Amino acid sequence: DIQMTQSPSTLSASVGDRVTITCRASQSISSWLAWYQQKPGKAPKLLIYKASSLESGVPSRFSASGSGTEFTLTISSLQPDDFATYYCQQYNGYPWTFGQGTKVEIK
Amino acid sequence: QLQLVQSGAEVKMPGASVKVSCQASGYTFTNYYIHWVRQAPGQGLEWMGIINPSSGGTIYAQKFQGRVTVTRDTSTSTIYMELSSLKSEDTAVYYCARRDVVVTATIFDYWGQGTLVTVSS
Repeated sequence: DIQMTQSPSTLSASVGDRVTITCRASQSISSWLAWYQQKPGKAPKLLIYKASSLESGVPSRFSASGSGTEFTLTISSLQPDDFATYYCQQYNGYPWTFGQGTKVEIK
Repeated sequence: QLQLVQSGAEVKMPGASVKVSCQASGYTFTNYYIHWVRQAPGQGLEWMGIINPSSGGTIYAQKFQGRVTVTRDTSTSTIYMELSSLKSEDTAVYYCARRDVVVTATIFDYWGQGTLVTVSS
């Protein structure tokens, strides 16, 4: 199985900060990577697919890049609604696997 | 409007089976694969399997092989996920999520609301 490792596990930041989350795959997944935001008690929400494509309706402060084994999600200016847990997911090969999550907390 | 509506919470004894449903509406049922993902309390997301609603073909994660069965009823646009031989470690919220059959670049754009399955004696 492809292992997905996110860092950091927890991130403390303030409104307006630029935030970057990293996701590493244990083998190349080309660009078959998605990013999700999840809030407590809710289903995950798709932010990014195919490594860097912004899902319709997602604010442009979210961006992502990477290919192969190294990927990043960036929030250019953190807003109050962005405090949540973020997951990466590879869909290059079954079983699809997720990173362990990065919790973005209020500093 | 587009929805994936899941069945309600379940409490099961260890060793029992549970069957969770996911009813789709607002889109062409056979144009989107349905996947199942679960999340144990306070934990991350875990992919379980996929069904092609058109053919009924399935792929399961090795971890769940032999214990999970995903089926569909095209007449009601409903997908069912049955998990057998339940253990306490199967306590989780189970989600269904859809993925476009044709536009393979994209991924889970709509999710069900989740179904909490509690396994306890």
